Amino acid sequence: AQKITQTQPGMFVQEKEAVTLDCTYDTSDPSYGLFWYKQPSSGEMIFLIYQGSYDQQNATEGRYSLNFQKARKSANLVISASQLGDSAMYFCAMRDTTGSYQLTFGKGTKLSVIP
Amino acid sequence: GAVVSQHPSWVICKSGTSVKIECRSLDFQATTMFWYRQFPKQSLMLMATSNEGSKATYEQGVEKDKFLINHASLTLSTLTVTSAHPEDSSFYICSAKIRGGTSGRAGSGARQFFGPGTRLTVL
Repeated sequence: AQKITQTQPGMFVQEKEAVTLDCTYDTSDPSYGLFWYKQPSSGEMIFLIYQGSYDQQNATEGRYSLNFQKARKSANLVISASQLGDSAMYFCAMRDTTGSYQLTFGKGTKLSVIP
Repeated sequence: GAVVSQHPSWVICKSGTSVKIECRSLDFQATTMFWYRQFPKQSLMLMATSNEGSKATYEQGVEKDKFLINHASLTLSTLTVTSAHPEDSSFYICSAKIRGGTSGRAGSGARQFFGPGTRLTVL
């Protein structure tokens, strides 16, 4: 069974600073995908970044980067130059690639950006 | 980009009534749609996987007779909460996987695209 662990229920960051949101995972599948989603108070799930288990390089999307350490089974999200609009819940998720493509979500981290 | 809509965005109903939630992929075909439930301050929990033209696969603990899922076309899946009770009040989110999508480096081919969610309140 797959499992995603996010150990930080809440995080604070000063505007314009960088912040790292932690995510560790556990799976027996040799092939998997890791995602980060942002959920503002409106409830919509906003895709941020994706990392495949066989990708050699860490994924980057604008101000978002994923620090993928396969041996440690961690996939931390780094947000650079935080903005007030980054305040939201952030979910790490894992997708198996064996056919169902189901997502397993972590419990989430609430990020608050302080002006 | 791929857009998924949900209707209604919010609904309030009396206990004992049934509520239907629609999930539509607007600009792509989705052979697989997923239904999630999210209680306040909690994570998304997968309820069921809906495949076009076949019966949905429900997660353990989810009553299939209470949460009826129909995926009649490649662009529409519906979730009907039958005989709703206050404990069914939650945020219901659907997602859709692009038909024939593959992983790829960006993963976009097999990525799930989420609807905006439906907030259900049962009085």
